[in-house]
Amino acid sequence: KQEVTQIPAALSVPEGENLVLNCSFTDSAIYNLQWFRQDPGKGLTSLLLIQSSQREQTSGRLNASLDKSSGRSTLYIAASQPGDSATYLCAVVSGGSNYKLTFGKGTLLTVNP
Amino acid sequence: DAGITQSPRHKVTETGTPVTLRCHQTENHRYMYWYRQDPGHGLRLIHYSYGVKDTDKGEVSDGYSVSRSKTEDFLLTLESATSSQTSVYFCAIRGQASSYNEQFFGPGTRLTVL
Repeated sequence: KQEVTQIPAALSVPEGENLVLNCSFTDSAIYNLQWFRQDPGKGLTSLLLIQSSQREQTSGRLNASLDKSSGRSTLYIAASQPGDSATYLCAVVSGGSNYKLTFGKGTLLTVNP
Repeated sequence: DAGITQSPRHKVTETGTPVTLRCHQTENHRYMYWYRQDPGHGLRLIHYSYGVKDTDKGEVSDGYSVSRSKTEDFLLTLESATSSQTSVYFCAIRGQASSYNEQFFGPGTRLTVL
């Protein structure tokens, strides 16, 4: 059974700092990995998708990397802003799973002005 | 938001009553999913559908049933609600074309079972 772990569970940083969020998964036979953002009381917003054949994806100040063999992904946020404060969720699609997502429990990020 | 709406957005009900949550999409997506989100557990898959009348169980399907009689609607039913089913419920769809490998989520339904 696939298990996804996100470390740290919470992170507080000053504005302007670069930061890294970590995601690990137990079964390396994944189809892809998706990073989401969730604001309090809201739904999930897709940030980045990394296919299993890719090593990284970038969108603006966000960069996500994938190392399938070690079962790890990182989300790098450059020059953090207070508006980046949210919970960040990592989810994987395992091979042959009819495209079901397995989620980590998330990292709660607070960026202080 | 990929044209996904959920109704109701909030509901308070009593133990033992039936509850139906609706997910509606407007873009002919084949795959639809129901997840629940709970503190300490994250998001967990309840049921999913891969076409009209084609559904299957997820990780936490006990106490829930689903139906999909037309492409645009995916219904989640709690036959007899229990307090353990108090949660936030999210519907999701699998994207199409260039977004085929992404899932997109609705705004959620907050359900409280007293």
